[in-house]
Amino acid sequence: GIQVEQSPPDLILQEGANSTLRCNFSDSVNNLQWFHQNPWGQLINLFYIPSGTKQNGRLSATTVATERYSLLYISSSQTTDSGVYFCAVLINAGNNRKLIWGLGTSLAVNP
Amino acid sequence: SAVISQKPSRDICQRGTSLTIQCQVDSQVTMMFWYRQQPGQSLTLIATANQGSEATYESGFVIDKFPISRPNLTFSTLTVSNMSPEDSSIYLCSVVLPKSGQGGLGGYTFGSGTRLTVV
Repeated sequence: GIQVEQSPPDLILQEGANSTLRCNFSDSVNNLQWFHQNPWGQLINLFYIPSGTKQNGRLSATTVATERYSLLYISSSQTTDSGVYFCAVLINAGNNRKLIWGLGTSLAVNP
Repeated sequence: SAVISQKPSRDICQRGTSLTIQCQVDSQVTMMFWYRQQPGQSLTLIATANQGSEATYESGFVIDKFPISRPNLTFSTLTVSNMSPEDSSIYLCSVVLPKSGQGGLGGYTFGSGTRLTVV
């Protein structure tokens, strides 16, 4: 089946630094989402991005579907950005669609 | 975007007992999804619940262990039956939203999760 790989697995930043998280996927997908899971376990939908670039405040995401990767940019990081960032791709599964998840990038932003 | 209310938010249960988790959505949705997230791991889909039909379970999950109800288009429950310490996880419900207009995020939205500890 399709493989979703995220890198790096862990990342430590000083507040104010910028970072890039990467998501590679091994086959064509219908769509791709980036999520942030905060330290309390809540999953927040960041971007729903099958291709192109989207921006939301200090975050932006780019998906290049033809090359099977997506990037999540975090600029001017803040301590509240800490948590785990997941990439998930949407595939056809029989009569349904399902999300296939990467293992996540665990981000710690230090003050 | 939809608001999903999930409860309980956390519970500590004795082995051998069962816990029912509720998920309420503020709009009608066709499909609801139940996930498990074991400590330090990514999410694993347990089952997809459509209103008016049997839930579709993923490999490794069975109805006797994880019975699901979907009585209407805004509500679902997941029961974790005959619990053991290995069932200690976060359980999350999710719905998929249409991409609605400029600025609409679309995609999958999750409840706040139920943190289950089995002792």
